[in-house]
Amino acid sequence: GDSVTQMEGPVTLSEEAFLTINCTYTATGYPSLFWYVQYPGEGLQLLLKATKADDKGSNKGFEATYRKETTSFHLEKGSVQVSDSAVYFCALGGSNYKLTFGKGTLLTVNP
Amino acid sequence: EAGVTQFPSHSVIEKGQTVTLRCDPISGHDNLYWYRRVMGKEIKFLLHFVKESKQDESGMPNNRFLAERTGGTYSTLKVQPAELEDSGVYFCASSHWGTSGYNEQFFGPGTRLTVL
Repeated sequence: GDSVTQMEGPVTLSEEAFLTINCTYTATGYPSLFWYVQYPGEGLQLLLKATKADDKGSNKGFEATYRKETTSFHLEKGSVQVSDSAVYFCALGGSNYKLTFGKGTLLTVNP
Repeated sequence: EAGVTQFPSHSVIEKGQTVTLRCDPISGHDNLYWYRRVMGKEIKFLLHFVKESKQDESGMPNNRFLAERTGGTYSTLKVQPAELEDSGVYFCASSHWGTSGYNEQFFGPGTRLTVL
C-alpha cells in the first residue's frame, strides 16, 4: 500500500538558518504530494502541494519539488523564522481521496 | 466562512466508558474524513463520507468505533467501550466533491482523547 517516510526530528534551528525536511514515498499510480503544517494549538493547514512529477509547490518561502525518479518531496526554506516553529507533515493523496501521512517533524526555531 | 470545527477539544475518560466526538465540516462540503494520530505515529485515515454515505471505512480499527453523518451535515465518531490504545488526536477534515483530481482537505483542530 501507499506509505510516506519523513525525517522524524525533532529539528532545532537558529533563526535565518536553512531548513530541509526529507520526505520519500511509496505509491501506486500517480499521487499528489503535500506538506501540511500544524502550528501550536491549531489544526492542520495545507502548506503546499504538487500534483505531478517535476511540479514545484511553494508557499510562505517554503518549496518542495515532486521528484518521481527518487520518489521524494523534500521541504526546504532558505531562511527560517521563529514563527515557522510547528510540526510538518508530508502526505500523499491518491485517487481514492484519502491522505497518507508521514509521522511528522517537529521544528523549533530559536531567536 | 467558518472552518471545520470539532468538539470537544479534549476528552479524558476511563477505560470502558463511551465517548462521542463531533465534527462540523465547512458548509457545502460533501466529503468528510476522520483521521487519527496516536502519540508519535502517523496520522492515519479512519473513514470517508460522501454526504451521508460511507464511501470508505477501511481505516476503522474495530467495531468499537461507529461513525455517522446525519443528513450529510455534521458527523459523530463514537468509541464504545474505549480502550487505552484509543488515546490520540482525532482529526476531521472536509472537502468539496470532485469527479477527478484532488480537492484540498480542510482540517479541524482535532480532539485529543485520553483513555485512563
